[in-house]
Parts: sequence; structure tokens; C-alpha cells
Amino acid sequence: SAVISQKPSRDICQRGTSLTIQCQVDSQVTMMFWYRQQPGQSLTLIATANQGSEATYESGFVIDKFPISRPNLTFSTLTVSNMSPEDSSIYLCSYRRTSETEAFFGQGTRLTVV
Amino acid sequence: TQLLEQSPQFLSIQEGENLTVYCNSSSVFSSLQWYRQEPGEGPVLLVTVVTGGEVKKLKRLTFQFGDARKDSSLHITAAQPGDTGLYLCAGGFYGQNFVFGPGTRLSVLP
Repeated sequence: SAVISQKPSRDICQRGTSLTIQCQVDSQVTMMFWYRQQPGQSLTLIATANQGSEATYESGFVIDKFPISRPNLTFSTLTVSNMSPEDSSIYLCSYRRTSETEAFFGQGTRLTVV
Repeated sequence: TQLLEQSPQFLSIQEGENLTVYCNSSSVFSSLQWYRQEPGEGPVLLVTVVTGGEVKKLKRLTFQFGDARKDSSLHITAAQPGDTGLYLCAGGFYGQNFVFGPGTRLSVLP
């Protein structure tokens, strides 16, 4: 399996600012995803990061709030814009080789907005 | 939108005890995966089941997929503190993105 790394691992940010989270995979992968995991809860899919085109967002998530880039098959970024305390959460990037196979996850970014 | 339910939500047991956690949906899965997540880490896949009635064993863990492919169980024999974590099931629905259940948070006390 390809190694997936995410940074930063944690950050404390002021409300109204933005944070960009980076996700790097050490080999090319087709499908990359971004998830949010609120404290004590499960994973909610934010969007599928599409290489060379706009991300596909799930219901309740919009590009203006969570812009995503995917410049190539090994790298993606998620920006959390104009943050509020409600955005405090763990953000996880993930990849799958195909839609039916194992999902591999980064270690997550723990974001606290104050 | 397909929804998954998991039970129990929380479970605290003593080392050496057995336990079973459950994952249910009103919809049929094309495949189902179980993940374990430890604090500060992303989830890690334990098993994938695809056939109704399928049983898979992974050391002390036994996974069963219901005949109708709407439910699954995870049984742990002689639990150890290293089994502590959040257990997540994820259902695949014929090419749609996997949906994760709310998880069972297991604590195994020494």
C-alpha cells in the first residue's frame, strides 16, 4: 500500500482565518477523499478530490467553505475557510485504489478554532 | 442516503472477556468493511466482507456478514487492552462512496 501522510497534525487557529491541510501519497492513486470527524463521532465525507477538475462535494459541504485542490495523482489540499469554533474537528484524507477496495487514511489533522 | 447503525455505542469490559458489536442498515450492502481507529490515528482496515453469510476470522476477531447483506457483527474473544479503540463499519453500495457508521468505542481494562 502507498504511504499517505498529512500535515499539519494539529493546529489552533483564530476564528475568521483559514487553514490549508496537505495530503501526500507516495505513489499515484486514483481516488482521494477528505473526511471530517467531529469529537466522539464517526467520519463524514466532505468531498472527493478529482485530479485536474473541481472536487465533488457531499450534501452540506460547499466549495467556498472547503476549497480542495488536486494538482496531480499524489497530492491534495483541503482549506477550511473563514473558520468558526464549529469547524473544530479532525480532518482526514484518504485514498482508495478502486471504489470497492480498502481505504487508507492519513493520521488526521486535529483543528481547534478559538 | 443509506444509513448505518452500530451498537453498542460504548463498551467497557475487563481483559479476557468476550464481546460482540453490531452494524445494521435497512439497505443491502455490496460490500462491508470494518475499521479500527486508535486515538490520534486514522482508521485502519480490519476486514472486507462481500458474500452473504460470509464468516472471516482474524486471530481473535470473527466477522460475520448477514445472509441478506444488511448487517454484520464483529466478535472479539478474550479481549486485550490493545483492542481498545473505535470500531467503524463502512458500507459500500454498488459503486457509491462508502458510508461509515457512527462507531462503537471499546475500552478494554487491564
